[in-house]
Amino acid sequence: DTEVTQTPKHLVMGMTNKKSLKCEQHMGHRAMYWYKQKAKKPPELMFVYSYEKLSINESVPSRFSPECPNSSLLNLHLHALQPEDSALYLCASSQEFSGTSGRVRQEETQYFGPGTRLLVL
Amino acid sequence: AQKITQTQPGMFVQEKEAVTLDCTYDTSDPSYGLFWYKQPSSGEMIFLIYQGSYDQQNATEGRYSLNFQKARKSANLVISASQLGDSAMYFCAMRPSNYQLIWGAGTKLIIKP
Repeated sequence: DTEVTQTPKHLVMGMTNKKSLKCEQHMGHRAMYWYKQKAKKPPELMFVYSYEKLSINESVPSRFSPECPNSSLLNLHLHALQPEDSALYLCASSQEFSGTSGRVRQEETQYFGPGTRLLVL
Repeated sequence: AQKITQTQPGMFVQEKEAVTLDCTYDTSDPSYGLFWYKQPSSGEMIFLIYQGSYDQQNATEGRYSLNFQKARKSANLVISASQLGDSAMYFCAMRPSNYQLIWGAGTKLIIKP
């Protein structure tokens, strides 16, 4: 069962609001990811958590704050966003994440959730 | 520089025909993984197929197969007997061992009835 769930499906927020995106997986995966995707573009990696520790932060502005409360859950806290932050936010998980060393294996296949469409007004 | 190139921005294919989506990659890393994903208009990114750089055989998953030509650095996706539900954006991606997943620009596939 390859299922990653994300809530909410849609979110509209003002630039002064604080909101959170949630992601959950029940596949026993040890790595979780946040991506941002603009229309007609490939996803852009934001954060990677491996064994509940932040492994990669792709120089994401501090108005985006990730949190991994346990191995099944991943949150993205949003504060003081800009209209250009409007996008589809995708969460993914994989069995493993070997970082930037070691042989790449099929266990690093990322499985995605349905995404949250965020509109910042 | 490591990169993925998908040269077909869009394709129209008649239903039931086979489809080949092109993907070439560039890396000097001997260990890498190649992935294909499908993204319908609903937005969900669906994993289709994986090929490891050390795999001797081409990967297959149901109607999907990956035509892996290592010397040419090519990893084309073949969809046999296309269906209307195959209409979507298709992304090729590469994970070298020294970097995270690198994505191609995508190919928009439209299946005509």
